[in-house]
Order: sequence, then C-alpha cells, then structure tokens
Amino acid sequence: SQQGEEDPQALSIQEGENATMNCSYKTSINNLQWYRQNSGRGLVHLILIRSNEREKHSGRLRVTLDTSKKSSSLLITASRAADTASYFCATDAQSGGGADGLTFGKGTHLIIQP
Amino acid sequence: KAGVTQTPRYLIKTRGQQVTLSCSPISGHRSVSWYQQTPGQGLQFLFEYFSETQRNKGNFPGRFSGRQFSNSRSEMNVSTLELGDSALYLCASSRGILKTEAFFGQGTRLTVV
Repeated sequence: SQQGEEDPQALSIQEGENATMNCSYKTSINNLQWYRQNSGRGLVHLILIRSNEREKHSGRLRVTLDTSKKSSSLLITASRAADTASYFCATDAQSGGGADGLTFGKGTHLIIQP
Repeated sequence: KAGVTQTPRYLIKTRGQQVTLSCSPISGHRSVSWYQQTPGQGLQFLFEYFSETQRNKGNFPGRFSGRQFSNSRSEMNVSTLELGDSALYLCASSRGILKTEAFFGQGTRLTVV
C-alpha cells in the first residue's frame, strides 16, 4: 500500500520559479526521504529528514517535516530545466524497524518550462 | 566509487518463462532491496536482504523470489511470467539495515509479451 501521497501529481512552472511539492503519510516514521527520477531511470537520493527534525536544506532544496500533520514539503528554488523529473517521497515506517523497506508515494511530475 | 549495477538493463520475455535479474550493490553495503515500478501501482517493495538473509518481503506472490550472496550481490527471480509482471525493477543498496539512505541502480526494464 502507498504510505506517502504526493501533491500535486503534476506541476509545470517557468524556469527560475520555485517549485513546491507536498507529501502526506499515514503511520509514524523514523525518517522521510525525497528522491528524483528522470524518465523511468533509477532514483537519485536528494535529502533525508529525520522524525525529530523540522527543516533541512541542501543546496537549492529545502525540506520541511510536520509529524503532527504527517506531512512533508519539498521546495526547489530557482528551478532549472534539468530539474524536470518525477519526485517521490519515501518513508521508513517506525513500526517496521526498517524491515518493511521504503514506502513510496506515487510521485509529482515536475516540468520546468524554459 | 562504483554505484549500484543492475543487469541486464532491458529484457523481453514470453509469458510462462522465468527470468533472473542481478544487482551488485555499492562496495561495503550489505543491504539490498528490490522494488517494482509500474505506471499503475507505482513503486512497490518486493524484498530486502541483509547478510544473505531475507529480512522482509512485500505483498507479492511466491513467483517472486530472491537471494543474496556472500559478496552482497543479489538476484531476483520471477517464474511463470505474466503480462502484468512487465515493469521497471529497481535495486537499492544501503549500508545498514535501517533505510538511512538508499542508492538505486538504473533498473531492469522487463517486458513480458
């Protein structure tokens, strides 16, 4: 079953604008990760935020986590054409102790218009 | 440092056949997980191996199996292939049991005809 649900399903913005994607999940987690996937290829790890963290930055990426609302957001600032990809959130459920694997949402397809 | 290597990259099989996919994790990583990605179901967890032991398995039929060797390389096997098994199969490796950061391979695109 899908733990994380990304919103929106698709997002198209102009180059240079900021892109915000949201993820909601259902159970308590150890951490939440964001991944990027280009055209049906492998996933690239972007950033991990632990359940006791509220915000994390990495270059042009900013991730927030609200465990009370079971939600996270990924902000990409000053978007570039190369950011065009699908973005997935993945959770490591607390109850599974890591044994259940990562649970992925269905992803947000981001298109950056030049 | 070499990344996760999956072979083959593309595969076409006929219904009823079986297939074996291979994954070589990053050197030093002992955990290997497998995922199936389809347009309809998205990314779904198949199973995870750590030190040659299957730690958990997702909700897939027994036709899906796997194993891990002493050098941490892993294989997954799908027997009696069905059209619905057509998917991108992704392997991920991580250093330990907990999924602190998983590194994915490029995947094997399996088409069942």
